[in-house]
Amino acid sequence: EAGVAQSPRYKIIEKRQSVAFWCNPISGHATLYWYQQILGQGPKLLIQFQNNGVVDDSQLPKDRFSAERLKGVDSTLKIQPAKLEDSAVYLCASGAILEKLFFGSGTQLSVL
Amino acid sequence: QQPVQSPQAVILREGEDAVINCSSSKALYSVHWYRQKHGEAPVFLMILLKGGEQKGHEKISASFNEKKQQSSLYLTASQLSYSGTYFCGAQDLTTDSWGKLQFGAGTQVVVTP
Repeated sequence: EAGVAQSPRYKIIEKRQSVAFWCNPISGHATLYWYQQILGQGPKLLIQFQNNGVVDDSQLPKDRFSAERLKGVDSTLKIQPAKLEDSAVYLCASGAILEKLFFGSGTQLSVL
Repeated sequence: QQPVQSPQAVILREGEDAVINCSSSKALYSVHWYRQKHGEAPVFLMILLKGGEQKGHEKISASFNEKKQQSSLYLTASQLSYSGTYFCGAQDLTTDSWGKLQFGAGTQVVVTP
């Protein structure tokens, strides 16, 4: 069974630049999450999709972050403009509602 | 609101036991437990639903006290492979957060030979 695919694996940008992350969830999983994990901390939920609708984005910094889930499958997370404090691993996870999550390998972002 | 985990870290010798606690201020539907090794993605261990059930994964088990909104993860006869950071995730059923899974800060477990 294919897992959750994320790309790129690593990204280095300068502050004020923009960046985009891509996630392809496991086929058939209606729920998709984006988490931000700062070094030494737990994953922080940024946004949750159910099919192509947003269920929760209360912790998404909407002045600079945006996310979409096209046709209820792939998702992209964008940061524009990036700040130093955005340096983190961005994890995508998918699952059936109220069931276990499968995580992708994440994208490690460094903002210089 | 994120669940609260304790302790922050624990060091064990092989064969020793440990308990990790997770508590929430909200009424919970379920608690998830995941383990993350350095540089890797979190991996699912188990889900506990309200009802106080107990589950197991190898020699790792967990319980969920619905009344206290607490869950505990028990590492029994620890093995070197148990090293990693353990996260609990809490899901409540308030209308504005259906299925929302929030993670605690994590408990770092180091098992030494």
